[in-house]
Amino acid sequence: KAGVTQTPRYLIKTRGQQVTLSCSPISGHRSVSWYQQTPGQGLQFLFEYFSETQRNKGNFPGRFSGRQFSNSRSEMNVSTLELGDSALYLCASSFGGYSNQPQHFGDGTRLSIL
Amino acid sequence: DQQVKQNSPSLSVQEGRISILNCDYTNSMFDYFLWYKKYPAEGPTFLISISSIKDKNEDGRFTVFLNKSAKHLSLHIVPSQPGDSAVYFCAASAWGSQGNLIFGKGTKLSVKP
Repeated sequence: KAGVTQTPRYLIKTRGQQVTLSCSPISGHRSVSWYQQTPGQGLQFLFEYFSETQRNKGNFPGRFSGRQFSNSRSEMNVSTLELGDSALYLCASSFGGYSNQPQHFGDGTRLSIL
Repeated sequence: DQQVKQNSPSLSVQEGRISILNCDYTNSMFDYFLWYKKYPAEGPTFLISISSIKDKNEDGRFTVFLNKSAKHLSLHIVPSQPGDSAVYFCAASAWGSQGNLIFGKGTKLSVKP
């Protein structure tokens, strides 16, 4: 069974640019969550999409946005990149709904801002 | 303020012995708790979870204990193996926010042969 796939694995951008990251969830999973991991702040929740709707949102500025398509694939966009956006961005999927189920993570996209 | 805390940044254990990783939380609305293992350059791998209606859950060498009154959970690994060496994250979620996991800062476990 294929796991969560994130592309690209590595990305280098400069300040002021924008970037789009992609996530393909495990087949059958309808919920996709995004997290940012940095050495100082650890793993922080960005947002969650379920059935193409944003269901939960973390405490990040509006430069961070996302969307989910009808096949449950999700994209995350960061506009006007800042040096502090350098991080590992992780996507996780689960079946969704309101029962307790674990999220399964992809290997992430390492974003470096120069 | 950190809602999920792992107070030990690192732990070293001899192969074959028990590893005990601890986690404390402050939010009484949390009702689902998970442990993940992470190797460098890989995403977190789900290990084991526990719902707040239980106080113990076992899966092979891994057991998670939940003490709701103390807002404390622990992960026991018995016996520990060198391949268990990784960073372990505790995470929690509240009903209605299942897609939002709150993570601790992690504990680096080293299992020595």
